[in-house]
Amino acid sequence: QSALTQPASVSGSPGQSITISCTGTSSDVGGYNYVSWYQQHPGKAPKVMIYEVSKRPSGVSNRFSGSKSGNTASLTISGLQAEDEADYYCNSYTSSNTQVFGGGTKLTVL
Amino acid sequence: EVQLLESGGGLVQPGGSLRLSCAASGFTFSSYAMSWVRQAPGKGLEWVSVISGSGATTYYADSVKGRFTISRDNSKNTLYLQLNSLRGEDTAVYYCAKMGGNWGGWYFDLWGRGTLVTVSS
Repeated sequence: QSALTQPASVSGSPGQSITISCTGTSSDVGGYNYVSWYQQHPGKAPKVMIYEVSKRPSGVSNRFSGSKSGNTASLTISGLQAEDEADYYCNSYTSSNTQVFGGGTKLTVL
Repeated sequence: EVQLLESGGGLVQPGGSLRLSCAASGFTFSSYAMSWVRQAPGKGLEWVSVISGSGATTYYADSVKGRFTISRDNSKNTLYLQLNSLRGEDTAVYYCAKMGGNWGGWYFDLWGRGTLVTVSS
């Protein structure tokens, strides 16, 4: 159950777009369309932003989008806003009927 | 209101035990699988365990297998996590999380505020 690989940090200016990658294996990310993404502000509980690779829960801005190619999933945030500054985690279902998170990416809005 | 409220955290000595509870409200509790996710201080999220809506099926992370037990009481709309043989590395905020479906909704669409477990002598 090794953690999925995410960049430790990304940054962008307001209005720009950024992409966060999440790399796993064929036993998790590559094997199932059960990748989800979570936003966590300091001291708060996580919030789901994307589920099943590219689906957006009601109430989540359409500036957030997800995709997957092979063993790597991606979260793209367009039109960056100051409130997007947070930690982001990917998660995947695995072939062992467990789930695994990525190490997390700190997004800084410059 | 749809919410999850954890309780039961605290300070415990290495080797000790603790039982966490998560009270659910605002949705049909028995219709959804539930999970526990933890976060060590200053660290990332770590999935701990999942239980099906009926309670018949459970899975655990390797790091807690054999030491932690997940269970639920659907008549009380409450999820539990029994923590035994605690170690320093189990120190974390423990979150209760609702899954997106009974089985197959493999994402967490509702989270509690968390309860802090500190393992220290």
